[in-house]
Amino acid sequence: EVQLVESGGGLVQPGESLRLSCAASRFTFSNYWMSWVRQGPGMGLEWVANINQDGSEKYYVDSVKGRFTISRDNAKNSVFLQMNSLRAEDTAVYYCARDHGGSLNLWGQGALVTVSS
Amino acid sequence: SYVLTQPPSVSVAPGKTATITCGGNNIGSRNVHWYQQKPGQAPVLVIYYDSDRPSGIPERISGSNSGNTATLTISRVEAGDEADYYCQVWDTNLNHLYVFGTGTKVTVL
Repeated sequence: EVQLVESGGGLVQPGESLRLSCAASRFTFSNYWMSWVRQGPGMGLEWVANINQDGSEKYYVDSVKGRFTISRDNAKNSVFLQMNSLRAEDTAVYYCARDHGGSLNLWGQGALVTVSS
Repeated sequence: SYVLTQPPSVSVAPGKTATITCGGNNIGSRNVHWYQQKPGQAPVLVIYYDSDRPSGIPERISGSNSGNTATLTISRVEAGDEADYYCQVWDTNLNHLYVFGTGTKVTVL
């Protein structure tokens, strides 16, 4: 089955770091841009970052620039989100998603990140 | 930044038609995509490039886009259509941002 599976979520204190991983299966991962999208409790969807096929282009929403880093390992069919200096407002379910011409046509099940003291 | 505005909620009786709007400045010049999200689940793409359906999405779900409004239409609404719906565009002019609408909760009466 074509799928994305996130891991690495958890509870951290403000100012701490966390690394999310997303493993892809049953499609040619290296052919696709990949994105991370988050959804705060009871909130809508917010795109966070994306990365092109070889990792040479990366884009971020303003609120995470300088704190979050997206990366990928095509040999391991995986995309990552390194999150530093976490804040309470970063609390959300984080989804990885496959880009398709400006849409997101495959989503993982999500990883919950809670930032709280 | 580019803003997409949706009505917070839409209520519809079974068998009727639900219409969800997505307003944005000259949105008709952009490609609009729509997602369905049921409680506790990840979003699912239901319409891309304004009106195309991914495989597995029923023909009852359709989209259009013109002027300052994109529209998602769900015909012959079923109980299983109850969900949150989000529109989305890709703003290549602004750091390749993916912009989501505010979301619409569709309630089947």
